[in-house]
This record gives sequence, structure tokens and C-alpha cells, in this order.
Amino acid sequence: AAGVIQSPRHLIKEKRETATLKCYPIPRHDTVYWYQQGPGQDPQFLISFYEKMQSDKGSIPDRFSAQQFSDYHSELNMSSLELGDSALYFCASSLSGGADYETQYFGPGTRLLVL
Amino acid sequence: GESVGLHLPTLSVQEGDNSIINCAYSNSASDYFIWYKQESGKGPQFIIDIRSNMDKRQGQRVTVLLNKTVKHLSLQIAATQPGDSAVYFCAEKYTTGGGNKLTFGTGTQLKVEL
Repeated sequence: AAGVIQSPRHLIKEKRETATLKCYPIPRHDTVYWYQQGPGQDPQFLISFYEKMQSDKGSIPDRFSAQQFSDYHSELNMSSLELGDSALYFCASSLSGGADYETQYFGPGTRLLVL
Repeated sequence: GESVGLHLPTLSVQEGDNSIINCAYSNSASDYFIWYKQESGKGPQFIIDIRSNMDKRQGQRVTVLLNKTVKHLSLQIAATQPGDSAVYFCAEKYTTGGGNKLTFGTGTQLKVEL
């Protein structure tokens, strides 16, 4: 079965640079979520979108922004990168209205390293 | 704020034994709970979920128990196999103003010894 696709899988950036992470949800899924996971930490919710509208917001820095497009893929834009932004960034998707509408399926993640 | 936590950071079991991973949650309004398995360098993999109107749900070799009285969640893995070695996270969700975010607890490292 098709899963959530994230790109790139690995990314190395310098401080103060920008980065764009992409997420392609499971086909027909209309809701996407972004999580950040630091080393040895549990995933922390950043932001979510449903039908291209922001549906919930967590601990996302003002330097970060995200959007969902008409094909339901999502992009997380990160500016003025800091060393502390180094982490795994996961995207998850779910299908509203389905039998398992609450189940979030995670992608493989993007490992971001800020030098 | 609300939090979800695990009692044991590391659990070692013998292959073939049953494993029990525990999780405590603090928000009595949580209405959905989910267990994920995360292998090193990979994304969390869905194992099983349960809604607050249930107290038990079974899957293939896994059972989730929910005790709302003491706000406790557990994951039971039957006949644990080496491939079960991973970090296990519980997560909760409560719908407040339409939010769908999951709040994760601290993971438990499950080690299966041969």
C-alpha cells in the first residue's frame, strides 16, 4: 500500500539558511500533520492542514511556515535556520470521514542537520 | 499542560515472552489513544488505537487496554519476537476546538533478548 512520502530524506544546511520540506500524503488523504522529533525525544506537533486550511497549530516557531496545496501535498518552509532546528521532521496524513479518520500515518521523515 | 508519559524507559524481554508497555495520561478529556512503533531512523509505525468508549481492543499479537478510572493505557505484545525491538510511543488526542494533534509520551525502548 502507498505510504506517506517525504522529501528530501536528508538535508544539511548552514545557520541562517532556508529549507523546504515536502510531504505527499497517502492517496485520498486530505489532512496532513507536521511533527518535529529531536534526538531521543518524542515527536512534537507543529501544525496541521485540512483541505488546504490550517486546522491546528502547535509549537511551530514563527520562522517556520507551512501550507497545503490543491493536490493535498504540503510543504514546510523553514527560514533563518538555527542549530536547534536539527531534528527529524515527520509528516503524517489521515483521511477525514473514513472509518479510521483519527489514525495518523507517518512518513519516513526528513533528517535536517543545521551546521 | 497536559502530558502523556510512560513509566518504564527500557523494557527487556526474552523472545517468546509477552511484553507489557505502560502509559499514563493526565487529560481525562482525551478521547483517542494510539500506539506507535518506531525503529531507528524510521517514522512511527501505527500499531493499534482505541477510543475512549472502549476499554480493550485486540489486533494481531497486540492488545491495548484502557483504564479511564486511573488514566492508564497499556500495550500487550504476545510472543515477543526480535523484530518487535523498537521504541514504542503512546499518544493521546483530545478534540478541543477541532484540534487533531497527537500528544506523544516518552518512548519505551523494547529490547528482545534471544
